Amino acid sequence: KAGVTQTPRYLIKTRGQQVTLSCSPISGHRSVSWYQQTPGQGLQFLFEYFSETQRNKGNFPGRFSGRQFSNSRSEMNVSTLELGDSALYLCASSLDPGTYEQYFGPGTRLTVT
Amino acid sequence: QKEVEQNSGPLSVPEGAIASLNCTYSDRGSQSFFWYRQYSGKSPELIMSIYSNGDKEDGRFTAQLNKASQYVSLLIRDSQPSDSATYLCACGGYSTLTFGKGTMLLVSP
Repeated sequence: KAGVTQTPRYLIKTRGQQVTLSCSPISGHRSVSWYQQTPGQGLQFLFEYFSETQRNKGNFPGRFSGRQFSNSRSEMNVSTLELGDSALYLCASSLDPGTYEQYFGPGTRLTVT
Repeated sequence: QKEVEQNSGPLSVPEGAIASLNCTYSDRGSQSFFWYRQYSGKSPELIMSIYSNGDKEDGRFTAQLNKASQYVSLLIRDSQPSDSATYLCACGGYSTLTFGKGTMLLVSP
């Protein structure tokens, strides 16, 4: 069974631009969660999607948004990029929502200059 | 504010020794507990999950949970240099997972 895939793997953007990241969960997994990982803050929860609905949202500004499609694939968008948005963005999928075992994709490394 | 605390390390052990990694959590409502291994430059990999008090063994790994003390641990027996990585503890209640910042483990040959 294929794992979680994320595209693109690396991205360089300029302050003020926007970016869209994509995540395809493990086949059969219906829940997708997004995390931001930085050396100083560790793994921080962004949001969780299930059945095309956002179930939970972390403490991030409204510039961070996401969505989930009917095939469980998910995208997240960051608008008006700031230097502090440079991070590894990780997507994790699980069978069902809540806190069942989550499996991470390889991540998207975003650098904002 | 749900918190998961881990010693950042590094924890250095010689090859063949037992590595003991610890984690405490603040949310008494936490029901599920996980250990992830993250190699430098890679994403976290789930290695253990535990849901009830006591020990759970899987190969060289043993997870221990004590809900009364709000304490989770991971023992790695016969540590190998390939075990050198950062180990993340994660705890969850009925909503999201909260991750600790991880403990770096270094296993020297």
